[in-house]
Amino acid sequence: EAQVTQNPRYLITVTGKKLTVTCSQNMNHEYMSWYRQDPGLGLRQIYYSMNVEVTDKGDVPEGYKVSRKEKRNFPLILESPSPNQTSLYFCASSLYQGANSPLHFGNGTRLTVT
Amino acid sequence: KQEVTQIPAALSVPEGENLVLNCSFTDSAIYNLQWFRQDPGKGLTSLLLIQSSQREQTSGRLNASLDKSSGRSTLYIAASQPGDSATYLCAVRSTGNQFYFGTGTSLTVIP
Repeated sequence: EAQVTQNPRYLITVTGKKLTVTCSQNMNHEYMSWYRQDPGLGLRQIYYSMNVEVTDKGDVPEGYKVSRKEKRNFPLILESPSPNQTSLYFCASSLYQGANSPLHFGNGTRLTVT
Repeated sequence: KQEVTQIPAALSVPEGENLVLNCSFTDSAIYNLQWFRQDPGKGLTSLLLIQSSQREQTSGRLNASLDKSSGRSTLYIAASQPGDSATYLCAVRSTGNQFYFGTGTSLTVIP
């Protein structure tokens, strides 16, 4: 089944403890991206990648890192999480950049930083 | 910077009504506009994608239109059903390949 898989679904951690949220897609998509969703603010793009070894900042990249060493994987790294990073995170992918390529989402990761 | 606005923020209608959800954006330099559905605690499900060169797309009871020059899109839902209750989000893909989302319209269809 074609899908975007995020892990874990729920994560509770403490301030400053490094964590990684994994994202994998099995559709051979070139484009992958991360978003956070907060009440009243909607979804905001954190980072995106148009291909292996190519990453760019979205609107809210501060406090996050990403890497794209393989086409299928795009992990999100929080090296020193803070409470203001408590949010619902989504990974998404699309076949390629351009007009006729819909975005496919994972099921989300709910992160709580205490 | 692109800004996407959805009005209304919430909508409640009786079953069977036809309804229209609105989405507006400030920068017309887009590749496409996509409508999504989000159920509580769940991910986003793609409903329709309209390329910047297109005027509308249809899927079943859903019809989405795009007027790029005025920065507007509408999602028309015909003969609404309780199962249509969800939050509907629109997103534009800029020509820089960033995505910008509206804050959504929460729809409740009353049986």
